Amino acid sequence: TQLLEQSPQFLSIQEGENLTVYCNSSSVFSSLQWYRQEPGEGPVLLVTVVTGGEVKKLKRLTFQFGDARKDSSLHITAAQPGDTGLYLCAGGVQKAAGNKLTFGGGTRVLVKP
Amino acid sequence: DAGITQSPRYKITETGRQVTLMCHQTWSHSYMFWYRQDLGHGLRLIYYSAAADITDKGEVPDGYVVSRSKTENFPLTLESATRSQTSVYFCASSEFGLLVPGEAFFGQGTRLTVV
Repeated sequence: TQLLEQSPQFLSIQEGENLTVYCNSSSVFSSLQWYRQEPGEGPVLLVTVVTGGEVKKLKRLTFQFGDARKDSSLHITAAQPGDTGLYLCAGGVQKAAGNKLTFGGGTRVLVKP
Repeated sequence: DAGITQSPRYKITETGRQVTLMCHQTWSHSYMFWYRQDLGHGLRLIYYSAAADITDKGEVPDGYVVSRSKTENFPLTLESATRSQTSVYFCASSEFGLLVPGEAFFGQGTRLTVV
């Protein structure tokens, strides 16, 4: 089982529609990151949220960190085909040997023209 | 060129053989990570390293060995490859603040097939 659970696993929508992706955990994280991955490439960072209740906007993307810092959401307004990809949330877990960056299972988003 | 590079990009090996995947970064990031990504799924952490000579297990370490004698290199070795280790392997590097991870930069991935 993964520390970070993402839902839904797959989302198919028409261009212009809105969508929300969720990232949930039973653990508290000091921060959460969102990445997007396109086929054949490594993930690329979209945003890092640090403070409980924080909301960050990146053009049509809105990221929210839950008040208790256990969950996060990514909302895309008026989705475009260029938003198609695998969206991954990630959190740092502090261990004796350092911090390990662990990822959720991902949400695959398909935006059809 | 600056960045993080993985080699080889593609590898086919036989069951039982030892294979090493290479990862090299030029930023002098203290942290490096190895993940595997199976078809249609997220990334699962195999091993990570906070600095040279400091490594620790991730979620799925069995069957893998790592070393980090130099900050810039973090090779991953499959001691005796099995079909279940067929996957795409990603290496990443990052810096961590006190509690907040910096951006993780990923290599292009190595597609490994074990036959």
